[in-house]
Amino acid sequence: DQQVKQNSPSLSVQEGRISILNCDYTNSMFDYFLWYKKYPAEGPTFLISISSIKDKNEDGRFTVFLNKSAKHLSLHIVPSQPGDSAVYFCAASTNQAGTALIFGKGTTLSVSS
Amino acid sequence: ETGVTQTPRHLVMGMTNKKSLKCEQHLGHNAMYWYKQSAKKPLELMFVYNFKEQTENNSVPSRFSPECPNSSHLFLHLHTLQPEDSALYLCASRPRTGGNTEAFFGQGTRLTVV
Repeated sequence: DQQVKQNSPSLSVQEGRISILNCDYTNSMFDYFLWYKKYPAEGPTFLISISSIKDKNEDGRFTVFLNKSAKHLSLHIVPSQPGDSAVYFCAASTNQAGTALIFGKGTTLSVSS
Repeated sequence: ETGVTQTPRHLVMGMTNKKSLKCEQHLGHNAMYWYKQSAKKPLELMFVYNFKEQTENNSVPSRFSPECPNSSHLFLHLHTLQPEDSALYLCASRPRTGGNTEAFFGQGTRLTVV
């Protein structure tokens, strides 16, 4: 059973517009959430994170929102740029020792100019 | 450059071969991981090492055998693999398992089993 779900396999957005990527989770023990970006033939790179004690974290063009009651988080990219085209993975973690990040399937974002 | 290096980048092996994947990190991290990425699937956690001790084996077949001789190095020994094992194998490290820390990934080894 998937604990982290990204139900949209792909998203297409025009340059300059907002990209919204969504993620749902089922494990209420998760207390730290991350977004990773991945280009083909490369490993994922960390983008932004949020702790469960917050509902928003912003870093430049990237903002992550967390709705704990709905077990939902989203990544907003504004304005979107062609270089943002990549696969975006949502990940979650607990504070428990010995555990790892649990990832979703990813959403492929395509930003057209 | 994430500080996590994986070799080789590409590997083609037959089903009867034995090969090893190597991962090295110079970040001073104590936790290391192997993940598998297949098409249209989540990154699947395979193994977790914390201070050189394996803390999780995520129901991985025995044809995959991890080794962690120290906190900086992680290996994945492969033998008698199947074509469906073809995937991108990713190594990651974190300062520690659990907690509010990000993982740093290597560039992965693209494995093809023929």
